[in-house]
Amino acid sequence: GQQVMQIPQYQHVQEGEDFTTYCNSSTTLSNIQWYKQRPGGHPVFLIQLVKSGEVKKQKRLTFQFGEAKKNSSLHITATQTTDVGTYFCAGHTSGTYKYIFGTGTRLKVLA
Amino acid sequence: DTGVSQDPRHKITKRGQNVTFRCDPISEHNRLYWYRQTLGQGPEFLTYFQNEAQLEKSRLLSDRFSAERPKGSFSTLEIQRTEQGDSAMYLCASSWGQLQETQYFGPGTRLLVL
Repeated sequence: GQQVMQIPQYQHVQEGEDFTTYCNSSTTLSNIQWYKQRPGGHPVFLIQLVKSGEVKKQKRLTFQFGEAKKNSSLHITATQTTDVGTYFCAGHTSGTYKYIFGTGTRLKVLA
Repeated sequence: DTGVSQDPRHKITKRGQNVTFRCDPISEHNRLYWYRQTLGQGPEFLTYFQNEAQLEKSRLLSDRFSAERPKGSFSTLEIQRTEQGDSAMYLCASSWGQLQETQYFGPGTRLLVL
């Protein structure tokens, strides 16, 4: 079945350092979404990418969708303690609305 | 509050009992999703509604699980004959539109089966 893996599983960084999480799907995706989930909270939508090779920026966050639409990345520049949480990618294949979430990357930022 | 709401927020039940959860999506959102999330894992898709029609259902969902969205507004998820393996957070999300499929998640219902 379709699988979406994320690496790394955990990442500890010093405040001010950069952070990147990678998302890899076993199948071609129609879109990719990124969510952030704080400890004890629910997933909160960050962004959606649809086009092959698309790059979007939100302040310190940069999102990329691979040319083959099977992988994506989220890069955070100069992390802050407020960036703490688990970052999930999610996507669905054409013809289905079944969103498959990635395994998540848990980010800890040390002040 | 115009966000997605879920009720109850916590449920403790004994094995073999039936439980029902409710989700109230954001008003006018025509799409509604149910997910299950266990500790340290990403949300796992359970089912999808477009208006009142249940268009997709996970093959992982046993026949003990059933969901409804009778008038295309709120939705219910029922688990019959609960098992300890059903213990998890049950999340509901709603969205609107075809180009921007932002899913707005509710706070979830945490189920513990003893």
